[in-house]
Order: sequence, then C-alpha cells, then structure tokens
Amino acid sequence: NAGVTQTPKFRVLKTGQSMTLLCAQDMNHEYMYWYRQDPGMGLRLIHYSVGEGTTAKGEVPDGYNVSRLKKQNFLLGLESAAPSQTSVYFCASSPKVRTFEQYFGPGTRLTVT
Amino acid sequence: RKEVEQDPGPFNVPEGATVAFNCTYSNSASQSFFWYRQDCRKEPKLLMSVYSSGNEDGRFTAQLNRASQYISLLIRDSKLSDSATYLCVVNTGGFKTIFGAGTRLFVKA
Repeated sequence: NAGVTQTPKFRVLKTGQSMTLLCAQDMNHEYMYWYRQDPGMGLRLIHYSVGEGTTAKGEVPDGYNVSRLKKQNFLLGLESAAPSQTSVYFCASSPKVRTFEQYFGPGTRLTVT
Repeated sequence: RKEVEQDPGPFNVPEGATVAFNCTYSNSASQSFFWYRQDCRKEPKLLMSVYSSGNEDGRFTAQLNRASQYISLLIRDSKLSDSATYLCVVNTGGFKTIFGAGTRLFVKA
C-alpha cells in the first residue's frame, strides 16, 4: 500500500498563476482533507470531503477549490495564486468511523512569488 | 486566544531524560484528544489517543484533565529517535479537528 500520495512535491508559482494539487489514497477511506501548515501555526483545514462527489469548506477555504470525482482522489485548485498561499499543503484521509485517525500524504511545498 | 495552545519549545534534553509536554484547549465541549508526531519536513502521524483515565504506550504516557482543559504527554528514557515535533490535537465533534502548532523536541547524545 502506498497510503496517501501527493503530487507535486514542490512547486514555485508566480502571482496570478493557477495550479492543481493531486492527492490519492489507496486505503478505501471515505473521508479526505486538505490542510495547509505555516510556521508557528497548526495545520488548518482548507476543505474536506465525506465521499465521492461531495465537498465542504473548512477553516480557511478562500482562494481554493476542490473536487472529488473518484473516491480515491481529492484535488485542490488554486485559481489565481497569491503570495499568502505560500505554504506546505498536506492531504489526509481517514476511515468514516474514526475521523481522528488521519493518514497524511508527504506534503507539497508551494512558493508563490 | 488559540483553540489549542502548546509551548513551542524547543525542548533540548539528553538521552535518557524524562520530558513532559502540556497542551491547553479552550472549548470545554471538546470530545476527543490525541497526540501526533511530525518529523522534520515530514507529514504528521498519529502517536496516541488521550483518555481521562490516562494511557500508556511503552515509554509514552498521555493524560487528560478535563476540569483544567489540558492534555499532557510524558516521554521517559528519551531516545535520539524521539526528536520531532509533537502536535496536540483536539476534536470538538464531527470534522472539527484542531491541531496545535506543536512542541519541538531535540534529544541529544
């Protein structure tokens, strides 16, 4: 099992550019999440999904969009990147009955200049 | 005030030492509590759950004090491999899982 994988691992964008981060999990988990992690702050939830075709906003959703067309994949999009979106992005998944037991991907380090 | 607060550290301890981390949370309705571990430039991983009765996993002991709204993690006989950031995590119900900013631990030979 690969667990949770993320692509790309690193990316540098210019302000105003767009990109999509891909997350994939092979554990058949129902729930998936996107977080960002900034120095001195805890992980903050951007969006989450409780199943294929459903998404919901988390704590810091502005500037991001998500889609979950397949159970195993969860995409995070930045339509017009801003320097404030420079961060490390983590995807996670969890079983339905144990949402606290989250399995994280290795992260994507994004820099917006 | 942050919903989950931790001392950022770093804690620098020699091998074999006992070290304790505390974490406070603000929402008295919080339901479940956990410690995650995050190695440098890696993803967080679940370390252990925290129960009111306390729970132990080898050299690690976690405690919850609901009255004072704090959680603790005790590491005995520290190893070099324990060097990491320890994240306090609180679930207030459903999907509202709050991660603390973490406490950094350096264990030195």
